Amino acid sequence: EADIYQTPRYLVIGTGKKITLECSQTMGHDKMYWYQQDPGMELHLIHYSYGVNSTEKGDLSSESTVSRIRTEHFPLTLESARPSHTSQYLCASSDPRLRSNEKLFFGSGTQLSVL
Amino acid sequence: SQKIEQNSEALNIQEGKTATLTCNYTNYSPAYLQWYRQDPGRGPVFLLLIRENEKEKRKERLKVTFDTTLKQSLFHITASQPADSATYLCALLNAGNMLTFGGGTRLMVKP
Repeated sequence: EADIYQTPRYLVIGTGKKITLECSQTMGHDKMYWYQQDPGMELHLIHYSYGVNSTEKGDLSSESTVSRIRTEHFPLTLESARPSHTSQYLCASSDPRLRSNEKLFFGSGTQLSVL
Repeated sequence: SQKIEQNSEALNIQEGKTATLTCNYTNYSPAYLQWYRQDPGRGPVFLLLIRENEKEKRKERLKVTFDTTLKQSLFHITASQPADSATYLCALLNAGNMLTFGGGTRLMVKP
């Protein structure tokens, strides 16, 4: 069972609101990721981090921002939510020491709906 | 450009039969390939990893093959059960050393 947690599980908000999606892991993994997934579609990497104070943009451009102040915590923020941000956001982590066996552990996701 | 292709059409099979899912890739030179299972509204769960020097990997009712010449991996579930119904994703490291996922194939096992 993966020890990676996302909150909230579901979020419905109005346009223009600022939101933060929380992601925490208790496995001590250095690498963490945010993926975005629309229903029936591929996962797209939007942010990742190699460790504390490291953040990088992924393959898919996103208006969201992330921070990594603590190893276990990797929150994602949208300063002003829009309907186009409606999607499922999945957080994941991995242990880079296992280079030859680096699998991802995913949280259950946050389903965001912006009205 | 790099591409991972999985059959986007759902695979419907009868309980007890073997399900076979395909993952094809182009412009990758993967050291390994991974398979994940994803249930609706949940995050993917890791199932198996197969390395480039391995032809086949087994885990209980699961079997994965990896043909680097054909640039293809096959994922088999033997004696399938309705509980195996889910979307199955293959994943590879891209040029930036990040795990990239295929679109997944939805498997429906009917009792």
